[in-house]
Amino acid sequence: DIVLTQSPATLSLSPGERATLSCRASQSVSIYLAWYQQKGGQAPRLLIYDASNRATGIPARFSGSGSGTDFTLTISRLEPEDFAFYYCQQRRDWPITFGQGTRLEIK
Amino acid sequence: EVQLVETGGDLIQPGGSLRLSCAVSGFTVSPYYMTWVRQAPGKGLEWVSVIEDGGTTHYADSVKGRFTISRDISENMLFLQMNNLRAEDTAMYYCAKGRGRTSSYDFWGQGTLVTVSS
Repeated sequence: DIVLTQSPATLSLSPGERATLSCRASQSVSIYLAWYQQKGGQAPRLLIYDASNRATGIPARFSGSGSGTDFTLTISRLEPEDFAFYYCQQRRDWPITFGQGTRLEIK
Repeated sequence: EVQLVETGGDLIQPGGSLRLSCAVSGFTVSPYYMTWVRQAPGKGLEWVSVIEDGGTTHYADSVKGRFTISRDISENMLFLQMNNLRAEDTAMYYCAKGRGRTSSYDFWGQGTLVTVSS
């Protein structure tokens, strides 16, 4: 199985700051990586698919980059509603796998 | 408007069976990958199963041989039959729609809770 390792586990930042979240795959997933946001008690929301494509309705402050084994989700200027959990997910191979998540919290 | 509504979650004893349903509106299930993803209390997301547009199915090793994914195209619904349930199957179960014939999931239901306990 492809293991996705997210770092850091917790990221403490203030509104207006830049957030950089990392996802590393145990083997190449090409560009077949997605990012999701999940707030407490809610279903996940697709932010980025295929490494760098914003999903419909996602603000431009969210961007994704990377290929192969190393990927980054960047939030350029944090808004209060951005503090949540973030998960990466690969679709390169079965079984589909998720990273363990990064908690983005208000400093 | 796209909507996915899961039902069927319950408190069930170990070894029991449960069938989850996902009612879909706003699109037809047949051209898309449709999936089940679960989340144990306080834990991360775990992919469970997918049914491809052509009907091919895939499962996580943790549920293979116990869970069966299916769909009813005429009723526009997705199902997850869960047999021989274990305590570690306790989770919120979400159904989700793939972007086209891919496993990037762009629409999700709100989930249904399965608790396996004696």
